[in-house]
Amino acid sequence: GQNIDQPTEMTATEGAIVQINCTYQTSGFNGLFWYQQHAGEAPTFLSYNVLDGLEEKGRFSSFLSRSKGYSYLLLKELQMKDSASYLCAAMDSNYQLIWGAGTKLIIKP
Amino acid sequence: DGGITQSPKYLFRKEGQNVTLSCEQNLNHDAMYWYRQDPGQGLRLIYYSQIVNDFQKGDIAEGYSVSREKKESFPLTVTSAQKNPTAFYLCASSTPPGQGRDEQFFGPGTRLTVL
Repeated sequence: GQNIDQPTEMTATEGAIVQINCTYQTSGFNGLFWYQQHAGEAPTFLSYNVLDGLEEKGRFSSFLSRSKGYSYLLLKELQMKDSASYLCAAMDSNYQLIWGAGTKLIIKP
Repeated sequence: DGGITQSPKYLFRKEGQNVTLSCEQNLNHDAMYWYRQDPGQGLRLIYYSQIVNDFQKGDIAEGYSVSREKKESFPLTVTSAQKNPTAFYLCASSTPPGQGRDEQFFGPGTRLTVL
């Protein structure tokens, strides 16, 4: 079957760095997406990886290892506004997104 | 400004009633999607459409129906056959899958509560 695993909840301190891991098993693979979702709001796109390696975009970076079925989202210089859920989603061979349950990130002052 | 709108944001219905959730986009996207989100679970695909007048069932289509008569609009009807309809419903759109990044853009969501 197809499956996405990511931690349910993480806590970090303002100004610090946090890494949110995601492992996936899909029928075929056409890319890995990360979205941010604040409580009660729509998910917003953060990053997309289809090749192995690190993609950096400001304070956020995303890494992919296709051979390991593994990705992580790295958030630097954490701010209180980064408190949100982070959703990992893998696109399968039919171009359908398989979604993880999300990681709730709590930022403490 | 381009985007996706969903209305209403909050909706209350009595058990046994059908209800239709609106989704409109002006991004000129061919593909549109309906997801359901429940606490502690990932987004689950209800229906999707890649072109006008065509749509396919997702993983949890039972008790739901859709139409795609216009490119901009993809309404979802939650029927009385849906056993547990209380949830947060998200509509999304994208360029046709397989053409690159294919990121999905989401509307603000409709929170449906069935009493």
